[in-house]
Amino acid sequence: KQEVTQIPAALSVPEGENLVLNCSFTDSAIYNLQWFRQDPGKGLTSLLLIQSSQREQTSGRLNASLDKSSGRSTLYIAASQPGDSATYLCAVLTTDSWGKLQFGAGTQVVVTP
Amino acid sequence: DAGITQSPRHKVTETGTPVTLRCHQTENHRYMYWYRQDPGHGLRLIHYSYGVKDTDKGEVSDGYSVSRSKTEDFLLTLESATSSQTSVYFCAISRDSNADTQYFGPGTRLTVL
Repeated sequence: KQEVTQIPAALSVPEGENLVLNCSFTDSAIYNLQWFRQDPGKGLTSLLLIQSSQREQTSGRLNASLDKSSGRSTLYIAASQPGDSATYLCAVLTTDSWGKLQFGAGTQVVVTP
Repeated sequence: DAGITQSPRHKVTETGTPVTLRCHQTENHRYMYWYRQDPGHGLRLIHYSYGVKDTDKGEVSDGYSVSRSKTEDFLLTLESATSSQTSVYFCAISRDSNADTQYFGPGTRLTVL
């Protein structure tokens, strides 16, 4: 069974620093990996989706990398802002899971002014 | 934002009563999902649908049933609510289950007393 782990569980950085969030997974037979953001009391907002054939995906200040062989993905957020404070979740779609995302527990990020 | 609404947004109910949560989408996406989110467990898939009247079980389906009579509506029913079903429930949609992003609704907070 696919296991998805996000370390650390919580992270606090001063404004302007780059954020590095990690996601690891145990089964490398994946279709894609998605990164989401969740604000307190809200639903999930999709940030980036990386297909299994891709090594990275970029959107604005966000860059996500994928290394299937080592079972890792990293989300980089450049020049962090207080508005980036949220919980970030990664989710993996394995080839035998038929649309069933497997989520990590998330990393709670606080960006201090 | 994807056009997904959930109703009700908050509900308090008694143990043993039936409860139905509704997910409505305006995107005409084929696939719909119900998740629950709990501290310490993250997001877990309850049921999903791959078309009108086509549904299947997810990871934590015991005690839940679903129905989809129209493309736009996906109902989640707790036949006899228990305190262990106190949770935040999220609906999600996707156009293609394997390669496309899942878009999430705002969630329903359910408390079973």
